[in-house]
Amino acid sequence: DAMVIQNPRYQVTQFGKPVTLSCSQTLNHNVMYWYQQKSSQAPKLLFHYYDKDFNNEADTPDNFQSRRPNTSFCFLDIRSPGLGDAAMYLCATSRDVSGGAPYEQYFGPGTRLTVT
Amino acid sequence: GESVGLHLPTLSVQEGDNSIINCAYSNSASDYFIWYKQESGKGPQFIIDIRSNMDKRQGQRVTVLLNKTVKHLSLQIAATQPGDSAVYFCAENRAAGNKLTFGGGTRVLVKP
Repeated sequence: DAMVIQNPRYQVTQFGKPVTLSCSQTLNHNVMYWYQQKSSQAPKLLFHYYDKDFNNEADTPDNFQSRRPNTSFCFLDIRSPGLGDAAMYLCATSRDVSGGAPYEQYFGPGTRLTVT
Repeated sequence: GESVGLHLPTLSVQEGDNSIINCAYSNSASDYFIWYKQESGKGPQFIIDIRSNMDKRQGQRVTVLLNKTVKHLSLQIAATQPGDSAVYFCAENRAAGNKLTFGGGTRVLVKP
């Protein structure tokens, strides 16, 4: 089945130790997104890729970076995790919407990050 | 600032009854709205969407109503089942960049 896959599902890292979360998709969607979701809160968009074009949200800290080496994969790098970065990180994809109507976003299961 | 918000943080409903979840949005330029269901430990799951040129859309046991005059969105779940227990988010999508802005979420608890 076509889907959005996130690995690992649970990640524990130490304060200040760089960590990378990965996302892959078999939907062949042009757009990939990373959201941060803290406990009992709504998902908050960090950034997204439209093909290879990176689009950062204005309030996303510099500590968060992303890479998209190809259509199928996207990575979230947290350079120096702080305790406040503990959250669920959600990857999502959608179809090409350039100049057209928006489409549904498909979410992966998320990676729960713990910072010790 | 622009936002999407919900009126009720928790909704407790008897199994078999209908559920109504409400959402207010503030951006009159939004042209696409989505309801997502999120179960514990999982990613949001698409339920139903509606475009701004419609005021009602029905799916299987779910109906979304859009009132653009008062910027209000609702999700109705018919014959609520235990499997409907989850957090429900409304989200608005502005055509530019296909970015979602989520509301705060409503937890639905289904009592047997």
